[in-house]
This record gives sequence, structure tokens and C-alpha cells, in this order.
Amino acid sequence: QSALTQPASVSGSPGQSITISCTGTSSDVGSYNLVSWYQQHPGKAPKLMIYEGSKRPSGVSNRFSGSKSGNTASLTISGLQAEDEADYYCCSYAGSSTVGFGGGTKLTVL
Amino acid sequence: QVQLVQSGAEVKKPGASVKVSCKASGYTFTSYGISWVRQAPGQGLEWMGWISAYNGNTNYAQKLQGRVTMTTDTSTSTAYMELRSLRSDDTAVYYCARDHGAMDVWGQGTTVTVSS
Repeated sequence: QSALTQPASVSGSPGQSITISCTGTSSDVGSYNLVSWYQQHPGKAPKLMIYEGSKRPSGVSNRFSGSKSGNTASLTISGLQAEDEADYYCCSYAGSSTVGFGGGTKLTVL
Repeated sequence: QVQLVQSGAEVKKPGASVKVSCKASGYTFTSYGISWVRQAPGQGLEWMGWISAYNGNTNYAQKLQGRVTMTTDTSTSTAYMELRSLRSDDTAVYYCARDHGAMDVWGQGTTVTVSS
């Protein structure tokens, strides 16, 4: 059982915006600004897209943005492109030096 | 460039142990930690634990406590993950990742297959 809850799938058409939610508890997402998001294409290693809730690493498109409200973090992708089709995972510090991942969300670009 | 290169695929029998290596280059190894993450076939990511490359301090996922050991060799900038008493549900791709609050550089993954 994953520590964080994500929708199994989301979809959108090219050019649209989508949001993926990541629901935790007051012991993880709600207590720390240490949520990160990862993109994973089939057969590839994950790639960091967002860290510390809303910061983008160098080289990541500004179409990707992160936010948090209470115990729920969100990843928004604007101007959807075909190459965005992938699995997305949220991750949060959970206290006691442990980390938890969400179950993953499959993004389909229609 | 910054990269992590992992050892090759392994096939092990139930009850055996496996040790996966992760060689870092392009950055100061001791300035970052290394997390290990695994992914069973068709499943999501599972955090296994973290080791400080500076002083060797470790934190392990509770479900793996007692079966996993993470170490580093600073002379070769290499991290290691050993998993013992392997079971069929340990079959997965194992990743190392540079971790300083987020996992920003990942190895290519090592497939470990546990089968009799």
C-alpha cells in the first residue's frame, strides 16, 4: 500500500492543462515542504520534475508546476504535448528520516 | 557530466543475497546522499533507504529492516546495496539516485530476478 494517494490515470488533449493530485496526511505532505514529482517513461529511469513542492530543476520546462494545499500536493502540466505521456510519481518526506512514494499516475495524451 | 552507473543484471535463487553497485562521477561524492528505489514489474516506485556518502549514516524502509544494508566506498565514489534472504517478490529493477532532499540524478537501473 502506497503512503501517498494518486489517481491511477488522467488524460488530456494536446494544448490542454491537467492536474495530478497527491494526497497524504498531516505527518507527511501536510507537515513538510519536501514534495517532489518524477516523470517516468516506459523502460526508463525516473526524472525529477519538481522538488520542494514547487521548484523546477534546471532544464525542466516551465509548463510543469507544483503546489500544495493542506495534505494534498498537485502537479500541473500546461500546454500538454505528446512527449508528456508517461507515468508520474509524487514523493514526500514522512518524518523519522523516511520517504514515501505515491502509487503513480498514468498520463495519456489523447 | 554528473552520472550514476549501476552494475549489471542479476539472477538469484530464493534465499540468496545480491549486492548492487552504483558508481558516481562528475560531482563530489561525499557532498550528497544516495537513495535506493526499486520497482517491481508493472508496479510503482518503492523507497528502500538512504545513505549519507559523507559519514555512512543510513535510514532504511521499515519493511526491509534486517534484510538490507547500504554502504559506500568513498575511495571509488561507489555506493552499494545488499539485499539478503531474497524472495520472489524482490524481483524488480533497482535504482540508485543522488539525494539531497530530492532525487535529482538516477542510475540506469539494475534488474534483479529471483527465481528457482
